[in-house]
Amino acid sequence: KAGVTQTPRYLIKTRGQQVTLSCSPISGHRSVSWYQQTPGQGLQFLFEYFSETQRNKGNFPGRFSGRQFSNSRSEMNVSTLELGDSALYLCASSLHTAAEAFFGQGTRLTVV
Amino acid sequence: TQLLEQSPQFLSIQEGENLTVYCNSSSVFSSLQWYRQEPGEGPVLLVTVVTGGEVKKLKRLTFQFGDARKDSSLHITAAQPGDTGLYLCAGAASGYSTLTFGKGTMLLVSP
Repeated sequence: KAGVTQTPRYLIKTRGQQVTLSCSPISGHRSVSWYQQTPGQGLQFLFEYFSETQRNKGNFPGRFSGRQFSNSRSEMNVSTLELGDSALYLCASSLHTAAEAFFGQGTRLTVV
Repeated sequence: TQLLEQSPQFLSIQEGENLTVYCNSSSVFSSLQWYRQEPGEGPVLLVTVVTGGEVKKLKRLTFQFGDARKDSSLHITAAQPGDTGLYLCAGAASGYSTLTFGKGTMLLVSP
């Protein structure tokens, strides 16, 4: 059974640009959550999607957005990138809830 | 806001030693998970505990959920270099809530 797949693995963007990250969950999993991980703040919850609907949202500015498609694949978008957006972005999938989540390898975003 | 505090933040030990990592909160969780993360990779789920007082064993790792479901511990017996990594605890307040993560305990096991 394939795990959670995130693409791309690495990204370098310039301040002010926008970026889209992709996540393919484990087959059959309907909940997809996104997290930002930085050395200082640890893992912080961005949002969760279930059956194409945003079910939970963390405390991040509106520059961070996401969506989920009918096949449960999810994308997150960050507009007007700032230097502080540099982080490891992790996607996690689970059957029904955000708990007991299985993570992808992450996308390392560097904003210069 | 639910918070999970992990201690210690960093632990450096020799191969063969035993260790315990703690995860504490003032809030009650319906379930708690432990993950291990290696540099540049995503966290890997080790265990989920859901019942107060529950103890689960995974080879040399023993996980315990507090009776009041507010805290948890991870004990590693005879640590090996392959145990090196960031150990994260994460709790869910209810069935459909999101996960709250602790900041992690960085474990370094030297040969």
